Amino acid sequence: DARVTQTPRHKVTEMGQEVTMRCQPILGHNTVFWYRQTMMQGLELLAYFRNRAPLDDSGMPKDRFSAEMPDATLATLKIQPSEPRDSAVYFCASGLTPYEQYFGPGTRLTVT
Amino acid sequence: AQKVTQAQTEISVVEKEDVTLDCVYETRDTTYYLFWYKQPPSGELVFLIRRNSFDEQNEISGRYSWNFQKSTSSFNFTITASQVVDSAVYFCALSAGTASKLTFGTGTRLQVTL
Repeated sequence: DARVTQTPRHKVTEMGQEVTMRCQPILGHNTVFWYRQTMMQGLELLAYFRNRAPLDDSGMPKDRFSAEMPDATLATLKIQPSEPRDSAVYFCASGLTPYEQYFGPGTRLTVT
Repeated sequence: AQKVTQAQTEISVVEKEDVTLDCVYETRDTTYYLFWYKQPPSGELVFLIRRNSFDEQNEISGRYSWNFQKSTSSFNFTITASQVVDSAVYFCALSAGTASKLTFGTGTRLQVTL
């Protein structure tokens, strides 16, 4: 049963620290997405990649967030420096076609 | 621009009742996909269904059914004979044009009680 995996599942950090979240897409999927879920904003797209190339990161605060795909089996989302307003659940999703997305379990980030 | 509206913030029903979750979407693209996801209390997002804009056939999967009407830009979701395990937040989403990204509605929280 192929699934998207995300690590860590939970992260508590202090303001100003760097946070790295990792995602392993389903093998063979060439499209990877990062979403953020908060009570205020709901689910919003941060960035997405196709064949490891970033296609859209307009939803991401550029000054502190960065997303990369070092290889086809790993996507990373970094926040440096983190702020309390970054507290949210971060979801990674992957798909084989442009119109299917399977979500990972999410990383719950708390910045104090 | 894409938009998805789920006007029902929260619905409470008693087990075995039927319940319909509404979803209205906006897009200028003629090719698009509509989705429903379930988010149980555990937090993961579970894919339920995808429909493309050229297929208006209604779909039934067990107790779940979906009604897609382009004339009213709606993609409603009905749970028949609801169960406590159906308690979750349900999201409707849209993917349109050349972009693959999903635009989500704000979700409907369904509470099913005994």
